[in-house]
Amino acid sequence: GAVVSQHPSRVICKSGTSVKIECRSLDFQATTMFWYRQFPKKSLMLMATSNEGSKATYEQGVEKDKFLINHASLTLSTLTVTSAHPEDSSFYICSAPHSYEETQYFGPGTRLLVL
Amino acid sequence: SQQGEEDPQALSIQEGENATMNCSYKTSINNLQWYRQNSGRGLVHLILIRSNEREKHSGRLRVTLDTSKKSSSLLITASRAADTASYFCATKGGFSGNTPLVFGKGTRLSVIA
Repeated sequence: GAVVSQHPSRVICKSGTSVKIECRSLDFQATTMFWYRQFPKKSLMLMATSNEGSKATYEQGVEKDKFLINHASLTLSTLTVTSAHPEDSSFYICSAPHSYEETQYFGPGTRLLVL
Repeated sequence: SQQGEEDPQALSIQEGENATMNCSYKTSINNLQWYRQNSGRGLVHLILIRSNEREKHSGRLRVTLDTSKKSSSLLITASRAADTASYFCATKGGFSGNTPLVFGKGTRLSVIA
């Protein structure tokens, strides 16, 4: 089946630094990818829709200057958490819809801890 | 924004028993999907039911959909300890692949051996 990878799987950083998370579709092309955020024991909250070749679409309340999204190619989207703070600590998950399929394929997630 | 509510929020059962989880949603949908998440991991797609379907089976899973009540249920029969995970329903409003999924709050299932 289709596979989506994320890198890194976990990262610890100091407050004020920036962290980049990569999301790759390994065996299919994805013009659209989605970024979700999940707090412990909570559900997934959509942050933004990443579009290849155009600007990302952010959900209400998500700061676009804080969470920079770049859809560099048909298989890669990156999420950069800029000037990270402890409240940005969370589990970030990306997903990509496969062409002609109604389901989405999820990456394994990235756990971010900001100290 | 989240659209679905799942109940119960947590469910603990003995191995071999059936587990039923319910999901309600608020707006019109194209389809409803159930996903499973093991602790600290990504999501795995379990089953999809379209808005014009009422029931669907896949192995030990049975999903129902009632669009008049805007609700769905997931039944896992003959549960196993390996079924321990969080289960989320997710709805998709549009037909385009670019339409994101909207997730419910999830049910944490514990199956005790």
